[in-house]
Amino acid sequence: NAGVTQTPKFRVLKTGQSMTLLCAQDMNHEYMYWYRQDPGMGLRLIHYSVGEGTTAKGEVPDGYNVSRLKKQNFLLGLESAAPSQTSVYFCASSFPVGDGYTFGSGTRLTVV
Amino acid sequence: GENVEQHPSTLSVQEGDSAVIKCTYSDSASNYFPWYKQELGKGPQLIIDIRSNVGEKKDQRIAVTLNKTAKHFSLHITETQPEDSAVYFCAAPRSNDYKLSFGAGTTVTVRA
Repeated sequence: NAGVTQTPKFRVLKTGQSMTLLCAQDMNHEYMYWYRQDPGMGLRLIHYSVGEGTTAKGEVPDGYNVSRLKKQNFLLGLESAAPSQTSVYFCASSFPVGDGYTFGSGTRLTVV
Repeated sequence: GENVEQHPSTLSVQEGDSAVIKCTYSDSASNYFPWYKQELGKGPQLIIDIRSNVGEKKDQRIAVTLNKTAKHFSLHITETQPEDSAVYFCAAPRSNDYKLSFGAGTTVTVRA
C-alpha cells in the first residue's frame, strides 16, 4: 500500500513564482490536511478538508490555497511564493473521528 | 482550542537507558493521544496511541501513560537503541472538530 504520496519531494522557487503541491492517498480517508514544519515550531496546520469538495482554513492559511476535487487528492497552491514560505510541507490523511493521521514523506520547498 | 505543550525539547540518553517525554493538554474533553516518530528526512509516523479509557499502553520497548486528572500523558522508551534517535511529537484532538494539535517536538539522541 502506498499510503500518502506527495509530489514533488524537493523544489526551489523564485519569489513571486507559483506552484502546486500534490497529495494523494489510497486509504479511502475522508479527512486530509496540509502542514508546514519549521525548525522549533513543530507542525502547523495550513488548510484541511473534511471531504471531497470541501476545504477549510487552519492556523496559518495566508498565502496558500487548496482544492479537493477528488476524495483521494488534496492540492496545495502557492500563488506568489515568498521567502517566508520556505519550509517542509507535509500532507496527512485520516478517518473522521479521533484517530491517528498518516503522513506523507514531505516536500522541501525553498523560495529564493 | 487544544493547547499541547511538550517537554523536553531535546533529550540525550546513553544507549540502554530510558527516555521519557511528557506532554500536557488543555482540553479536558480530549480522548485520544497519539505519539509520532519522525526520522531525518521522513514524515511523522504513528508509533503508539492511547485512548482516555485506559491509563497505560505498552508495545515492546515503548509505552504511553495517561493521567486525565492532571491532563498529561508521557512516552516512555526503555532500553534505548541508536535507531530510537529521532524527533518525537505528541498530539491531542480538539473536542470541537477532532483535529489534532501537535506538541513542538522532542529531539532524542541516543549515544552509543
